[in-house]
Amino acid sequence: DVKVTQSSRYLVKRTGEKVFLECVQDMDHENMFWYRQDPGLGLRLIYFSYDVKMKEKGDIPEGYSVSREKKERFSLILESASTNQTSMYLCASSGWDENSPLHFGNGTRLTVT
Amino acid sequence: AQSVTQPDIHITVSEGASLELRCNYSYGATPYLFWYVQSPGQGLQLLLKYFSGDTLVQGIKGFEAEFKRSQSSFNLRKPSVHWSDAAEYFCAVGARAGNNRKLIWGLGTSLAVNP
Repeated sequence: DVKVTQSSRYLVKRTGEKVFLECVQDMDHENMFWYRQDPGLGLRLIYFSYDVKMKEKGDIPEGYSVSREKKERFSLILESASTNQTSMYLCASSGWDENSPLHFGNGTRLTVT
Repeated sequence: AQSVTQPDIHITVSEGASLELRCNYSYGATPYLFWYVQSPGQGLQLLLKYFSGDTLVQGIKGFEAEFKRSQSSFNLRKPSVHWSDAAEYFCAVGARAGNNRKLIWGLGTSLAVNP
C-alpha cells in the first residue's frame, strides 16, 4: 500500500512564525500535492509538484511556498503564519499515469494564534 | 466553468438502509471521476473511480457508482449502510488530457448513520 506520511498531526504556532509542514511518500510517485481543507470550502489546492524541483501554483498559493528537493518529500512553508492560515492541511501523491488516483496522508491540523 | 456539485451537504440514514449520494459535474468533455471517503480525523481514501468502459463501477467497502453521461452525474450507492460508513464523502473530476494533476472537488456530503 502507498503510504503518505505527514510529520505532524497537530501544530500550534504563533502569528509571524515560519512554519514547515513535511510530507513523505514511499511509492516513488512523480506528483505531490498540498491541499487545505476548511469547513464549507472543501479541498483547495495550494501547490503541486510533478517532479523534483518543479512546482506549480494551485488555486490558493498566496502566503505559501513549497520545496521538493527529493522525489519522496514535499514541504509546505508558511513564511509568516497568520491566523487565517489556521486549517487542516492534507498532502497527497499520485503516479504519472493520468489514471493514477491521489493517495492522501492523515493531515496536519495547524492552529495559528 | 468546470465544477462539481454535491447537492446534499448532510445526510442521515438508518443502519441497514440503502444510500445514494449525488454528484453532478460540469465539464467540457468526459472526465475521469472519483469518489473519496474521509473518516473523522483521517485523510481521504479512494472508494472508486471511473475512466472508461462499464458505466457501473464497483469500489471498496461495498460501494458502487454509476456514470450517466446524459445527466452529467456520478452518484454513489450502497445497498445497506453500516455504522462504520459514517464519514465525509467527496466527489472529484479530473481532466483526461495529460497528467491528472489537478482535480476539481465537490464540497462533500457528510453522512451520519443512526443505529
